[in-house]
Amino acid sequence: GQQVMQIPQYQHVQEGEDFTTYCNSSTTLSNIQWYKQRPGGHPVFLIQLVKSGEVKKQKRLTFQFGEAKKNSSLHITATQTTDVGTYFCAGSGSRLTFGEGTQLTVNP
Amino acid sequence: ETGVTQSPTHLIKTRGQQVTLRCSSQSGHNTVSWYQQALGQGPQFIFQYYREEENGRGNFPPRFSGLQFPNYSSELNVNALELDDSALYLCASSTPTSGSGELFFGEGSRLTVL
Repeated sequence: GQQVMQIPQYQHVQEGEDFTTYCNSSTTLSNIQWYKQRPGGHPVFLIQLVKSGEVKKQKRLTFQFGEAKKNSSLHITATQTTDVGTYFCAGSGSRLTFGEGTQLTVNP
Repeated sequence: ETGVTQSPTHLIKTRGQQVTLRCSSQSGHNTVSWYQQALGQGPQFIFQYYREEENGRGNFPPRFSGLQFPNYSSELNVNALELDDSALYLCASSTPTSGSGELFFGEGSRLTVL
C-alpha cells in the first residue's frame, strides 16, 4: 500500500533559524497536503499542492511538490515560537495517507 | 474553530469493552473520515463515509465499525477493546466539491484502554 515517510522526526532550532521537513511517497501522488498540529491539538490544514514542480508560499512558509509528484518539502524561514508543533504531510492516492510528522521545537 | 465536534473528549475503558465515539460534521459537509492517532505518530486512516455509505477503509479489523446518519453526523464503534486501541480518535469532515481537498478535523476523542 501507499506509504508516506517524513524526515526528520524531530527538529530543535533556535528562534530565527530556518527549518525544513521532507516528505517522500512510495507511489506517485495525485496531490499532497500539509497540516500542522499544535501540542494537545488537532491537525489544521495548511495547503494542498497539485501540480508537478509546484511551489507555494504562505508568509514565511514555502511548500514544494517534486517533479515526479513523489516528494514534497516545507521550509520555514526565520522560525518563531508560534511555529512550534508537528508538521504532517498527507499524500492523496486512493486515500489520504499521513506521514509520521516532524516535531518542531523552537528555543526563544 | 472547524465546526466539527466530537464527543466524548476523553474516556477510559477496560479491555474487552465496547466504545462509541460521535462526530458532528461541519455544516454542508457530506463526507466524514475517521483517523486513529497513537502518541507520537501520524493519523492512520480507519474509514470514510460518504452519504451514509462506507467509502473506503484502512487496515483496521472488523471490530472497528461506523455509521453515518442522514444529517451526515457519524459514529465510530470499537468492539472487544485492546490495549493498543488507546489513542486519539480524530474525525474529519470534508466535501468532494471543495477544490482544496481540505480535511476539517475535530478536537478528537482520547481513548485510554486499561
